[in-house]
Amino acid sequence: DIVLTQSPGTLSLSPGERATLSCRASQSVISTYLAWYQQKPGQAPRLLLYGVSSRATGIPDRFSGSGSGTDFTLTISRLEAEDSAVYYCQQYGSFITLGQGTRLEIK
Amino acid sequence: EVQLVQSGAEVKKPGESLKISCKGSRDSSINYWIGWVRQMPGKGLEWMGIINSGDSATRYSPSFQGQVTISADKSTGTAYLQWSSLKASDTAMYYCARGATHLGYAGDFWGQGTLVTVSS
Repeated sequence: DIVLTQSPGTLSLSPGERATLSCRASQSVISTYLAWYQQKPGQAPRLLLYGVSSRATGIPDRFSGSGSGTDFTLTISRLEAEDSAVYYCQQYGSFITLGQGTRLEIK
Repeated sequence: EVQLVQSGAEVKKPGESLKISCKGSRDSSINYWIGWVRQMPGKGLEWMGIINSGDSATRYSPSFQGQVTISADKSTGTAYLQWSSLKASDTAMYYCARGATHLGYAGDFWGQGTLVTVSS
């Protein structure tokens, strides 16, 4: 199975700043199958991006994705307080696996 | 918009059986599936398995193969996650999600979660 490793574990930034979250795969991932989710405390996950950079319905353009092969990035620009959450990357290879998550705190 | 409504919280004893549900739309397209995700207390998300809405084919994560059973009733649009003998380590929140092949197996709609507590 492909293992996804996310970094950093925790990120603490101020409103208005830009967040850069990394997702590294143990083997090459087909771009079609790389997604990102946001999960706030007490809530179900919400799909942000699929196919590396395609935004899901209703996701603002402050959220963007990039990368290929084994290295992928989620960028959140102009941070807002509501962006505080845990972010997970996901890949589909032989089956679906997720990274361990990056916690984003807005100061 | 698709809505997935999960059954309520459960408290069970080790060794008991359990079946939880996820009711969505009666979409029988082979291009969609319903999956189950485990989240243990304070931990991350883990996909357990998926069932295709069209042909009801199931696939399981190697970590959960043989540990749970996923099924569906197409007539009611309901998917199920079942245990034959619960363990304390099955204590977790379980989410169902709808996925689509055109989204690269990403889950675009999620249920509210079912909390399962297994304790003697």
